[in-house]
Amino acid sequence: DADVTQTPRNRITKTGKRIMLECSQTKGHDRMYWYRQDPGLGLRLIYYSFDVKDINKGEISDGYSVSRQAQAKFSLSLESAIPNQTALYFCATGRLMGGELFFGEGSRLTVL
Amino acid sequence: DAKTTQPNSMESNEEEPVHLPCNHSTISGTDYIHWYRQLPSQGPEYVIHGLTSNVNNRMASLAIAEDRKSSTLILHRATLRDAAVYYCILEDNYGQNFVFGPGTRLSVLP
Repeated sequence: DADVTQTPRNRITKTGKRIMLECSQTKGHDRMYWYRQDPGLGLRLIYYSFDVKDINKGEISDGYSVSRQAQAKFSLSLESAIPNQTALYFCATGRLMGGELFFGEGSRLTVL
Repeated sequence: DAKTTQPNSMESNEEEPVHLPCNHSTISGTDYIHWYRQLPSQGPEYVIHGLTSNVNNRMASLAIAEDRKSSTLILHRATLRDAAVYYCILEDNYGQNFVFGPGTRLSVLP
């Protein structure tokens, strides 16, 4: 089983719909991140969390919200999806005191 | 936030060494230098990281300038599987705001 699991892996939805992308990890890490990647571009940070009570905005948080339900779970929500949120979304985890990040396989979201 | 600059693309021949540069002139004393790579259709994967001293692992070596304003990722013998986008990232405050730049797209020619 993967250490960092993202669901769904692929999702097609319509403008205005609410979408939730979920991330769970079995590594016992405290740090969790959500990134989006547009074709041909690098990753942009949406939100990050250092523990259940800690939520921080990244570069591009507008239009997104997150929930850290437990140490192992970090969900990304689009309350009202729009077409320019079509992208590949990655979740990542890491130990609290720095060091490498471990990435999920990505969730591809298409908003029509 | 401290920023990094990398060349957009580089090319290498298979089985030759590759030196991927990164400039980070505004680095602070406690920032770690990280390198990740992203193979086609995959999530990023960790390559190496360091603070001041040069670092080696099974994947690569990291050479850090004495003033820490630049670093170089060294792949000792490039293979076709090393073709990827390589990202140089500064980690501040134990990973707060861990931000990727556009990276360097490495092509490896057979």
